[in-house]
Amino acid sequence: KAGVTQTPRYLIKTRGQQVTLSCSPISGHRSVSWYQQTPGQGLQFLFEYFSETQRNKGNFPGRFSGRQFSNSRSEMNVSTLELGDSALYLCASSFSTSGQETQYFGPGTRLLVL
Amino acid sequence: AQTVTQSQPEMSVQEAETVTLSCTYDTSESDYYLFWYKQPPSRQMILVIRQEAYKQQNATENRFSVNFQKAAKSFSLKISDSQLGDAAMYFCAYRSAEGGSEKLVFGKGTKLTVNP
Repeated sequence: KAGVTQTPRYLIKTRGQQVTLSCSPISGHRSVSWYQQTPGQGLQFLFEYFSETQRNKGNFPGRFSGRQFSNSRSEMNVSTLELGDSALYLCASSFSTSGQETQYFGPGTRLLVL
Repeated sequence: AQTVTQSQPEMSVQEAETVTLSCTYDTSESDYYLFWYKQPPSRQMILVIRQEAYKQQNATENRFSVNFQKAAKSFSLKISDSQLGDAAMYFCAYRSAEGGSEKLVFGKGTKLTVNP
């Protein structure tokens, strides 16, 4: 079974631009979560989706948004990019939100904002 | 809000020896899950071990075991017979068992170096 895939793997943008990152969960998984990883702040929860509904959101500005499609694929969008948005963005998927499931992480998208 | 603290930014161990990584957490909840994730230089986060708070028995996975002290809110990871492939960042994480959220709260991580 294929793992969690994220595209693109690397991205360079300039301040003020917007970016869209994609995450394809493991087949059959319906829950997708996003995390931002930076050297200073570590791993921080962005949001999670289950069956196309946002279930939880972290403490990030409204410039960060996401959505989930009927096939469970998820996208996150960052508008008006700032230098501080440079980070590794990780996506994780699990089968459900029962709490019994294990989350599997993708390889991440490395975003560099210049 | 829950917090996770890893007090050892870096640790090193000799190949074949044993090392213990520390993790403490703060929560007012009684039911939750704890995890250790490994992130090698390739950046793919991999689950090492998980512990359900309601289980008193410490989890083990081959060479990896935990010492879960619920009252002390401590969750350490022991790696036995360390191998070069164990070199990575190790993150301790907390997940509430209430509300159905998958949100993980991570510690800052411990960088483990394995010396040949």
